[in-house]
Amino acid sequence: AQKVTQAQTEISVVEKEDVTLDCVYETRDTTYYLFWYKQPPSGELVFLIRRNSFDEQNEISGRYSWNFQKSTSSFNFTITASQVVDSAVYFCALSENLGGTYKYIFGTGTRLKVLA
Amino acid sequence: GAGVSQSPSNKVTEKGKDVELRCDPISGHTALYWYRQSLGQGLEFLIYFQGNSAPDKSGLPSDRFSAERTGGSVSTLTIQRTQQEDSAVYLCASSHRGIGEKLFFGSGTQLSVL
Repeated sequence: AQKVTQAQTEISVVEKEDVTLDCVYETRDTTYYLFWYKQPPSGELVFLIRRNSFDEQNEISGRYSWNFQKSTSSFNFTITASQVVDSAVYFCALSENLGGTYKYIFGTGTRLKVLA
Repeated sequence: GAGVSQSPSNKVTEKGKDVELRCDPISGHTALYWYRQSLGQGLEFLIYFQGNSAPDKSGLPSDRFSAERTGGSVSTLTIQRTQQEDSAVYLCASSHRGIGEKLFFGSGTQLSVL
């Protein structure tokens, strides 16, 4: 069965600190996709990144970076030099093809608070 | 429209009443999902529509919940005989068909059952 675990319920950091949000997943399939979404206080989830199971290259986008390791079934997200605007709930998600159904399973989210 | 539209944005109802929540997906998106997010919780999958295929209803919590999608576009989630535990934000998302397609979310409907 699919499962996504975000063990960190809430993290507080001071502005300019680096912070890593953990995501561990379970799947029996060899082809799957992993995602990170951001849910700011306004409520609407925003797509951040997508990774397929065959691409383990790490990715950097500005202050954001993602580390995908199949060996540990992890897809961690790091924010460098955090800012108050980064305060949000971050969700990790897994998608795979289950007989034609592309169900997305979300983790329970990590609430990040960046303090000025 | 430019994004996924949900209505109403807020709904307050009395226990036992029926409610209908609407979702207008992005034009051309064949996949549509409903999720429920209780206060401080993650996203709970409810139902998935893909084109004209039979929907995946495996996440619906009880037979009081139902959903339909007319003409492959607009979807309505109906909750009958609402209970207080149904209070949550109901999120709709749409995407192109296929594994790995990113989801576009609406702003959600905040349902409060008194």
